Amino acid sequence: GAVVSQHPSWVICKSGTSVKIECRSLDFQATTMFWYRQFPKQSLMLMATSNEGSKATYEQGVEKDKFLINHASLTLSTLTVTSAHPEDSSFYICSALTLDPAKNIQYFGAGTRLSVL
Amino acid sequence: AQTVTQSQPEMSVQEAETVTLSCTYDTSESDYYLFWYKQPPSRQMILVIRQEAYKQQNATENRFSVNFQKAAKSFSLKISDSQLGDAAMYFCAWAFGGRSGKSTFGDGTTLTVKP
Repeated sequence: GAVVSQHPSWVICKSGTSVKIECRSLDFQATTMFWYRQFPKQSLMLMATSNEGSKATYEQGVEKDKFLINHASLTLSTLTVTSAHPEDSSFYICSALTLDPAKNIQYFGAGTRLSVL
Repeated sequence: AQTVTQSQPEMSVQEAETVTLSCTYDTSESDYYLFWYKQPPSRQMILVIRQEAYKQQNATENRFSVNFQKAAKSFSLKISDSQLGDAAMYFCAWAFGGRSGKSTFGDGTTLTVKP
């Protein structure tokens, strides 16, 4: 089946620094990738939709200058948390959408746990 | 806006028994998909089952089946012959059809399987 690799799986950083999270579709191309945030024992909250070659679409309430998204190729999207603060600590999950609209299936990365000290 | 409601925060089932997880949704869209995802303690999201809204036939995947009631906007998941490995958080999700794929997730149901 389709595999999505998300890296790193866990990152600890100091307050004020920036952190980059990578999301790669390993064996398929994805024009659309999604970035989610999940708090413990809660649902996935969509942060933004990443489209290859164009600007990301952010959900209401998500600061686009805080969470920079770049979808430079059909297999790679990155999320950069800029000037991270403790309140940004969370679990971030990416997913990649298959090109075949008839399938409309998202494949998920394993997630990244971000801890900001 | 689309909403997905899972009214059971927690459920438990005896091993080898059957359990049904509830999900209702609200949408004015005609072209959409419905999904059940499993999130075990590893937190890796795993697709359990998928249903196209235009199909009347309920989807099945081995021990997992759905009861899709389009008019009632209901999409429940039945797990038969429950196994210890089925213990996880289960999310019901609604997604736009076509190339969008943008999804809305329910709050999840934590399933415990008792040996």
